[in-house]
Order: sequence, then C-alpha cells, then structure tokens
Amino acid sequence: NAGVMQNPRHLVRRRGQEARLRCSPMKGHSHVYWYRQLPEEGLKFMVYLQKENIIDESGMPKERFSAEFPKEGPSILRIQQVVRGDSAAYFCASSPPTYNEQFFGPGTRLTVL
Amino acid sequence: AQSVTQLGSHVSVSEGALVLLRCNYSSSVPPYLFWYVQYPNQGLQLLLKYTSAATLVKGINGFEAEFKKSETSFHLTKPSAHMSDAAEYFCAVTSNTGGFKTIFGAGTRLFVKA
Repeated sequence: NAGVMQNPRHLVRRRGQEARLRCSPMKGHSHVYWYRQLPEEGLKFMVYLQKENIIDESGMPKERFSAEFPKEGPSILRIQQVVRGDSAAYFCASSPPTYNEQFFGPGTRLTVL
Repeated sequence: AQSVTQLGSHVSVSEGALVLLRCNYSSSVPPYLFWYVQYPNQGLQLLLKYTSAATLVKGINGFEAEFKKSETSFHLTKPSAHMSDAAEYFCAVTSNTGGFKTIFGAGTRLFVKA
C-alpha cells in the first residue's frame, strides 16, 4: 500500500505566478489535510477536506489560496500570484473515515524567487 | 480551543543519556496525542500516539510517552540517546470537534553529542 504521495517535491516559481501542489492520499483514505511549515517553524494547519467538500479551512489565508479534493484524482492546493512569503514546505496528510491518525506525505518545498 | 506547548526549542544530550522532551496540551474534549519526528528536508514520521487506551505508550526507536491527564502533559522519553536520534520532534493534539484538525507544537530540536 503506497503512502501519501505529493508532487512535485520541489517547485520554483517567480513572484506573481501560480503554484499547484498535488496530494494523492493513501488508498482507502477519504480525508485530506494540508499544512504549511515555514523555515524553522512547526506545522500550521491550513485546510481539511473530504471528497468534494471543504470541512475546515480556518487556517487558509483569505486570499490567493484555495484547495479542492475532487471525486476523482488528487487533492490540489492552489496558490495564485505567489509572493516570497509563500516560500515554505507544504505537507499533505490523509486519514481513513474512522480516524485514528494522519499519515503524512514527503512534502512539497515551494521556493518563490 | 486546542493548543500544544513544547518546552524548550532546543535540547542537547550526550550519547547514552536520557532524552526528555516536554509537551503540554489543552483540549476541551478527550484528545488524541501524537509525537512525530522530522529529519532535515523530510516529512513527518509518527513515533507514537495516544488514543485513550493505555496511558504509557511505546513507540518506535525506543521512544515512549506517558499521558498524564492531571498535568495535561505528554512528555516523550528515551532511556539512552543515540546519534541517529538527532532531529526535530513535534508534539501534536487532535480531537473531534466537528473535524480532526491537528494542532502542532513549535517543535524541539534534539542535539546528541558524542
């Protein structure tokens, strides 16, 4: 059973461009969570999604950030018009419907030039 | 609201010495508690978890943690540090309050001296 997959692992964007981060949860997991880790800091919750639904987006910046988890395909975290402050590691985690723990992907490291 | 406090952003021990990483939490409902380890430029690996069963939880790599409700603590220990234990450690709390949002502590970086 493959673990949580994230791609790309590294992403470089110039200011003003769009960044798309993808997360494929573990097989059988219908819950996805996105976290952001700024350099030398802990992980900050961004958003919690189930298939086709956003359950909790209390950690998402109000502008430029959006997330989706469609019926088919990976979850996408989209950052529009990136700025240097968006440079961070973005981690995705998934869990099964009967929650017990979250399984983390390897992360996508976004660098904004 | 949930929160996690990790006391000490940096802890340094000698190889073979006891490792103690402190974590205190607050939660309005019974929590799930976790310890994760992160090596440089890698993702998070689960060390151990507390989910309302035994209060003393044993994890991987010789780590264990004890849930103390009266102290709202979940400290991580290892009897004898190894050089390979040098990493960042995160305590986390989750509870079902309409969603399983996980709150992470700021992390403790463990240094192991030869």
